[in-house]
Amino acid sequence: QSALTQPASVSGSPGQSITISCTGTSSDVGAYNYVSWYQQHPGKAPKIIIYDVSDRPSGVSNRFSGSKSGNTASLTISGLQAEDEADYYCSSYTSITYVFGTGTKVTVL
Amino acid sequence: EVQLVESGGGLIQPGGSLRLSCATSGFTVSGTYMSWVRQAPGKGLEWVSVIYSGGSTYYADSVKGRFTISRNNSKNTLYLQMNSLRAEDTAVYYCARGGRTLSWFDPWGQGTLVTVSS
Repeated sequence: QSALTQPASVSGSPGQSITISCTGTSSDVGAYNYVSWYQQHPGKAPKIIIYDVSDRPSGVSNRFSGSKSGNTASLTISGLQAEDEADYYCSSYTSITYVFGTGTKVTVL
Repeated sequence: EVQLVESGGGLIQPGGSLRLSCATSGFTVSGTYMSWVRQAPGKGLEWVSVIYSGGSTYYADSVKGRFTISRNNSKNTLYLQMNSLRAEDTAVYYCARGGRTLSWFDPWGQGTLVTVSS
């Protein structure tokens, strides 16, 4: 049950696109299309932004998109906005249990 | 409207026990999977436990044998019984409802802080 690996921080200017990687193993990310992404602002509960690798819940901006290749999933935020500054976590189903990523702090310059 | 409200957190001495509750409304806890996720101060999210609709329960290695997840269907409430608490269990504990697939949790409660310290 080792945490999925994410970069500690990613930054970008308003309007730019950034991508956050989430690397797991063939037992979690690589095994299932059950990868999700969460956005967490300081002092708030996490909020789902991507599920099943690339699906967006209703109400989530289409500036957020997800993908997966092998054991690595990715979250792309396009048209970066000030409100996107937050912590982002990936998560994967691992056959009856779950694992989260180490988290990435996104800074809007 | 779907809502989850945690309670039961507080200051507890090492070795002590605490039971967290997650009162829900707007859905049936027994009809989906539910999880507890924790976040130590200034740290990332850590999955703790899940209870599936059929009643099966599973735990992170870090809490296995010490924590027990359960639910009361008549009260529509999720619980986390925490025994033999350690300093490293200090965290905000969130309950979260499972999504339409096995992939996601939504929504999450506001969290309840557990502090293990002498």
